Amino acid sequence: GENVEQHPSTLSVQEGDSAVIKCTYSDSASNYFPWYKQELGKRPQLIIDIRSNVGEKKDQRIAVTLNKTAKHFSLHITETQPEDSAVYFCAALSSGSARQLTFGSGTQLTVLP
Amino acid sequence: DGGITQSPKYLFRKEGQNVTLSCEQNLNHDAMYWYRQDPGQGLRLIYYSQIVNDFQKGDIAEGYSVSREKKESFPLTVTSAQKNPTAFYLCASSIESGQEQFFGPGTRLTVL
Repeated sequence: GENVEQHPSTLSVQEGDSAVIKCTYSDSASNYFPWYKQELGKRPQLIIDIRSNVGEKKDQRIAVTLNKTAKHFSLHITETQPEDSAVYFCAALSSGSARQLTFGSGTQLTVLP
Repeated sequence: DGGITQSPKYLFRKEGQNVTLSCEQNLNHDAMYWYRQDPGQGLRLIYYSQIVNDFQKGDIAEGYSVSREKKESFPLTVTSAQKNPTAFYLCASSIESGQEQFFGPGTRLTVL
């Protein structure tokens, strides 16, 4: 099955700096890669996603890049703000009839004021 | 967010007891999912259902059971066979398999 690895597990940045979180996946047929943000005690919420026919996608301060050859994708947050502090999860959608999401282990992002 | 609900928010269980967690959605979604989240770990798939009256095991189905008798509802039973059930349980739904998943607020289960 699919295996997703996420790095780093914790990340601290100064307010206004950029943050980058990286994930690798094992199934070359995976074709959908969402990123979720989870604040403490809350439900995960989708912040951005990308499909395998696209190399990059942006939404204001957030961007995701995908390298299908290397089987890795990254989340980029620019001009970080304290409210960006949360746990971020990447995921990959496996191929075949199962079509289930496999999640990375999460990155705790702390934005220091 | 209000389209998918879980109850109760907190649940305490004695060892050896079965307990059922509720998940309801009014989004008219075909697919529903149950995940388990442990501290410092990602979400692990327990069971999923792509359509009413059908469901499949996920990566960690042992000690759990589900039913999908109605499109809106996907209850999860944690049985006494689950050796370490204390965790945060999240239900999700999507319009169909492979599309964006929307999560419920979660149920925190503690075994005493």
